[in-house]
Amino acid sequence: DIQMTQSPSSLSASVGDRVTIACRASQSIRDYLNWYQQKPGKAPKLLIYAASTLQDGVPSRFSGSGSGTDFTLTISSLQPEDFATYYCQQSYSTLVYTFGQGTKLEI
Amino acid sequence: EVQLVESGGGLVQPGGSLRLSCAASGFTFSTYSMSWVRQAPGKGLEWVSGVGPSGATTYYAESLKGRFTISRDNSKNTLHLQMNSLRAEDTAIYYCTRILSYRSDHWGQGTLVTVSS
Repeated sequence: DIQMTQSPSSLSASVGDRVTIACRASQSIRDYLNWYQQKPGKAPKLLIYAASTLQDGVPSRFSGSGSGTDFTLTISSLQPEDFATYYCQQSYSTLVYTFGQGTKLEI
Repeated sequence: EVQLVESGGGLVQPGGSLRLSCAASGFTFSTYSMSWVRQAPGKGLEWVSGVGPSGATTYYAESLKGRFTISRDNSKNTLHLQMNSLRAEDTAIYYCTRILSYRSDHWGQGTLVTVSS
């Protein structure tokens, strides 16, 4: 299976900060990279797909970039509701879409 | 409105079996791939298994091959996960997801499986 590695594992930030989360794949996955947000006790929510396309309804302060093996998720100006755990996921390998270990974003 | 509702979770002894179900509504079930994703308590997301629209093609995380079987009944808009030889490390919330063009765009609320004696 393709391995996904996120960094950092946790991140402390403040409202209004710009934050970046990195994700690296163990092999090239072109742009088959998704980002999800998960809040405690809730199911994950799709934020970004195909590395940089914003899911409908997701605020424009979220953005994604990268291709090949290195990707980033950026939140341009943190809002209180953005404090959550973020996961990257590769969807290059047919229906075995592995996740990164997650990045917990804390105040 | 797309809805995915999982059921079948519960407490099972090590070595036991359990069959999870996911009832889908609000979309043409038979035209979408589907998947199961799990999350152990306090841990991250783990891909479990995926199935193509017809059910003819199935895929599994390497670590789970041989113990879990994914299937679907398109006449009943239902996805299943048969889990055998369960271990304590299989304890998790199991989510059903719809796959749209290489992404899980809808998730169920999850069903908790606890493997313990």
